[in-house]
Amino acid sequence: ETGVTQTPRHLVMGMTNKKSLKCEQHLGHNAMYWYKQSAKKPLELMFVYSLEERVENNSVPSRFSPECPNSSHLFLHLHTLQPEDSALYLCASSFGLVDEQFFGPGTRLTVL
Amino acid sequence: AQKVTQAQTEISVVEKEDVTLDCVYETRDTTYYLFWYKQPPSGELVFLIRRNSFDEQNEISGRYSWNFQKSTSSFNFTITASQVVDSAVYFCALRVGANSKLTFGKGITLSVRP
Repeated sequence: ETGVTQTPRHLVMGMTNKKSLKCEQHLGHNAMYWYKQSAKKPLELMFVYSLEERVENNSVPSRFSPECPNSSHLFLHLHTLQPEDSALYLCASSFGLVDEQFFGPGTRLTVL
Repeated sequence: AQKVTQAQTEISVVEKEDVTLDCVYETRDTTYYLFWYKQPPSGELVFLIRRNSFDEQNEISGRYSWNFQKSTSSFNFTITASQVVDSAVYFCALRVGANSKLTFGKGITLSVRP
């Protein structure tokens, strides 16, 4: 595997479910990011991790819980989501916080 | 506050036409970075270019070229002799100083017809 991978690519869940999104980067980067992309809206930065420490949390509801166990892996744990949380969730990584970010293919999430 | 405006929402051209995608940015910082990303139907954003505020040289990479004009706060992207594979959503983004946050525009959907 090369680049940034995300699993699953598609996810349908009910509002009471608990699920997790996984991101893995094979680029030797030290920073990882979660973005939300909703229809007709700009990409929204959700979380930033640098060297496994969270450095930014952009007022994201607590029903989204990130986890970064090491510099290669990033998770987004989901619980009691709302239909308006349906979106494409993109993971990205960069060597440092000021370097260009490389994105994964995203997870298309649908909340019923 | 930072802002990126991509006024064009959808552009449709016929193959081999040239097309320019506009990007206007706003920031009060003197050190900033501008980016273009391509998002094909597969979903992942593909990094195309980064330009810092101290380098106003235009850049050409194959059929792609970028025109950075600080006087008009614009960073426009031109595709020469467009191809069907260029069909995608194109995003312009801005990062300020040492802040890691990218501010994205809303994107431009480019359709290239055969």
